[in-house]
Amino acid sequence: DTAVSQTPKYLVTQMGNDKSIKCEQNLGHDTMYWYKQDSKKFLKIMFSYNNKELIINETVPNRFSPKSPDKAHLNLHINSLELGDSAVYFCASSRWTGGIFSGTEAFFGQGTRLTVV
Amino acid sequence: KQEVTQIPAALSVPEGENLVLNCSFTDSAIYNLQWFRQDPGKGLTSLLLIQSSQREQTSGRLNASLDKSSGRSTLYIAASQPGDSATYLCARQGGSEKLVFGKGTKLTVNP
Repeated sequence: DTAVSQTPKYLVTQMGNDKSIKCEQNLGHDTMYWYKQDSKKFLKIMFSYNNKELIINETVPNRFSPKSPDKAHLNLHINSLELGDSAVYFCASSRWTGGIFSGTEAFFGQGTRLTVV
Repeated sequence: KQEVTQIPAALSVPEGENLVLNCSFTDSAIYNLQWFRQDPGKGLTSLLLIQSSQREQTSGRLNASLDKSSGRSTLYIAASQPGDSATYLCARQGGSEKLVFGKGTKLTVNP
């Protein structure tokens, strides 16, 4: 069974289009994340949701809008796609510890490679 | 500002060699240190998680250590195999639950 699954795996689209990436986890976690891996392979947090509430927004352009319909799902919608949005987007999940003392292991999906042409 | 640094950026070794990958971080307010493996075109696979109260974790041929006072973690791979070839990423977790990643060490184990 796939723990964290993302769809689609590949996405090629034209500039200006709107697209969505879906993520689901079956680990029973209550915290989900979106990370972006740029062309230099550097991974950086974009958003984090805990129990459907936004807890981290790392100065991401407002063209990016995450939506969490329930604890097991975190989707990412991107409006007016730009060339610079081309990257691999990773969804992840973990169990929320309230940010005190020790956190827990994070599990990642296989990534969605977005190419904007 | 690079909060997590991994050295070396790339490493090529012959099969069977023991090796050490290094990770250093600037923020001492660390809760977890997690090591991942990423194969080309694939996602991240969690290898080891060291909680702030721990000093090391072991899984098979892998051993990860954490020294918060010096801001360092190492990943030791014993008896390396060609299948170990991948990019190894370390990430520290602070108070906001997010992971801050290093840029990774690309390991090639030659048969």
